[in-house]
Amino acid sequence: RKEVEQDPGPFNVPEGATVAFNCTYSNSASQSFFWYRQDCRKEPKLLMSVYSSGNEDGRFTAQLNRASQYISLLIRDSKLSDSATYLCVVNSLGSQGNLIFGKGTKLSVKP
Amino acid sequence: NAGVTQTPKFRVLKTGQSMTLLCAQDMNHEYMYWYRQDPGMGLRLIHYSVGEGTTAKGEVPDGYNVSRLKKQNFLLGLESAAPSQTSVYFCASSYEGIGNQPQHFGDGTRLSIL
Repeated sequence: RKEVEQDPGPFNVPEGATVAFNCTYSNSASQSFFWYRQDCRKEPKLLMSVYSSGNEDGRFTAQLNRASQYISLLIRDSKLSDSATYLCVVNSLGSQGNLIFGKGTKLSVKP
Repeated sequence: NAGVTQTPKFRVLKTGQSMTLLCAQDMNHEYMYWYRQDPGMGLRLIHYSVGEGTTAKGEVPDGYNVSRLKKQNFLLGLESAAPSQTSVYFCASSYEGIGNQPQHFGDGTRLSIL
């Protein structure tokens, strides 16, 4: 099992739709979880951290399920500007806690 | 506040040539990282540094060397470039390296080896 797995997509949704991404991780001892956003030909940028109790930032909601070892990202009321690749990121305890990046899920929001 | 700055932005090399990629951060971060990103592969860690004067191997270190002589700079060297090293290279830094802190990325260097 790969350390961090994501559905590569693409997810093609209309403006205003709600879309959810899931991510699974293999290391049950992982403690830190993040969602990054990467626009085409740009660097990854932190979207939000994921906390055990779940957290929300505007239209974005992140959830963590430790028992099943998966993380989710929910985007409500999608905007054209949400089109990007979303990277699931988990810390790896095997190498001084370095972060392991998923390959990303591509989202395309259409008018 | 520039954050993380990478130079150069683009470069084309011939097989066997050498070059150095420079990463500079002005956030006083202790940890710095070099990644490569290839289509379908995601980000892979090449080398990282936990502080000035220290470096360590990541997932894909072969063919690369690094140096961290100053806290704010992290250099990635290719001694003898190979076509397999054609990629987009990202530098990142973080306040701590224990995985609790997010990493801040530079805008990348696109490197082509002919």
